[in-house]
Amino acid sequence: DAGITQSPRHKVTETGTPVTLRCHQTENHRYMYWYRQDPGHGLRLIHYSYGVKDTDKGEVSDGYSVSRSKTEDFLLTLESATSSQTSVYFCAISAAGDSEEQYFGPGTRLTVT
Amino acid sequence: QKEVEQNSGPLSVPEGAIASLNCTYSDRGSQSFFWYRQYSGKSPELIMSIYSNGDKEDGRFTAQLNKASQYVSLLIRDSQPSDSATYLCAVKPSNDYKLSFGAGTTVTVRA
Repeated sequence: DAGITQSPRHKVTETGTPVTLRCHQTENHRYMYWYRQDPGHGLRLIHYSYGVKDTDKGEVSDGYSVSRSKTEDFLLTLESATSSQTSVYFCAISAAGDSEEQYFGPGTRLTVT
Repeated sequence: QKEVEQNSGPLSVPEGAIASLNCTYSDRGSQSFFWYRQYSGKSPELIMSIYSNGDKEDGRFTAQLNKASQYVSLLIRDSQPSDSATYLCAVKPSNDYKLSFGAGTTVTVRA
């Protein structure tokens, strides 16, 4: 998985609780991304980062926040989890440059009850 | 109109046959195109990148790009049961470093 780890790999939480997912890379890549994948919707971008402390919103950012204090770590926080946020979450990385190839982490399966 | 559209599938092919997957995109200025393979319960895995018009071959995989017609395709030759997966098309629109993904086409190779 191209030097990308995600934690936890599985989590069950209750509605209204905060949840933080972690993505860690060992590739020193500049760009990091958080996606969610749901049946019928494919991969949808939540937030992305183009450098330490530089982040921006994707197409489905409501209810999510991110932080990147180090090159290797990108955190995704669900401020108050809802059942609609039950999904599989993938982190991806890409190097600076023209190719823009993205490599994905193993994913986190989150269930909000 | 979705930015990236793929044939809906599922696509079932016999072992040894050619599987043909198609993808169209809406941003005419797009420059980078990717195919990912995703096994059930796993993360997407990059299998092909293509940037110029024409064909690009890598083993049993061939990617074809036609920017004028705004489509990119993936051919899997000599399909094997291990090719059974969902294939995702991804496009980098112009002036953007984010990717747009299609919904995916599920391929089943029957022995």
